[in-house]
Amino acid sequence: EAQVTQNPRYLITVTGKKLTVTCSQNMNHEYMSWYRQDPGLGLRQIYYSMNVEVTDKGDVPEGYKVSRKEKRNFPLILESPSPNQTSLYFCASSLSGQTYEQYFGPGTRLTVT
Amino acid sequence: DQQVKQNSPSLSVQEGRISILNCDYTNSMFDYFLWYKKYPAEGPTFLISISSIKDKNEDGRFTVFLNKSAKHLSLHIVPSQPGDSAVYFCAASRQTSYDKVIFGPGTSLSVIP
Repeated sequence: EAQVTQNPRYLITVTGKKLTVTCSQNMNHEYMSWYRQDPGLGLRQIYYSMNVEVTDKGDVPEGYKVSRKEKRNFPLILESPSPNQTSLYFCASSLSGQTYEQYFGPGTRLTVT
Repeated sequence: DQQVKQNSPSLSVQEGRISILNCDYTNSMFDYFLWYKKYPAEGPTFLISISSIKDKNEDGRFTVFLNKSAKHLSLHIVPSQPGDSAVYFCAASRQTSYDKVIFGPGTSLSVIP
């Protein structure tokens, strides 16, 4: 089954404790992206990747890091989480670029206290 | 300042009637637009898209209209069904480059049986 998986689905952590949210897709897609969803703001793009070892900033990259060492994986790293990063996070992938339909993962609910 | 706006946070429609969801954008460089649907506790799923070379695109009960001069697009659902109850996100991007995708804040549609 074609899918995007994210882990963990739920995470509660404390300020400053480094964490990684994993994302994996099994569709051999070139393009992958991370979004956060906040009430009234919709989905805002954090980082995206056009292919292995090629990443770029989205609209809200501050406080986040990403890497794309393999085509299927695109982890999101919060080196020093803060309460304003409490949000619902989605990973997405598409065949080639943002104008192709993106397949989204189920989301990760992160709470930073 | 939001580049993609969905000014109606919510909309209620009777089953069988037409649902019209609106989206406005400010950046004239956008030339590709997509609609995504999101159910609670799931990731968004792609619904329909339109390129700026067209002014209309249909897929079954869903039709998207694009008015470039007004920087406005709308999604029509006819007839509306209870299963259409979800949050709908409008998104915009540029086809000519791997670039950011900008999502609107979403409109929550309720279809009343």
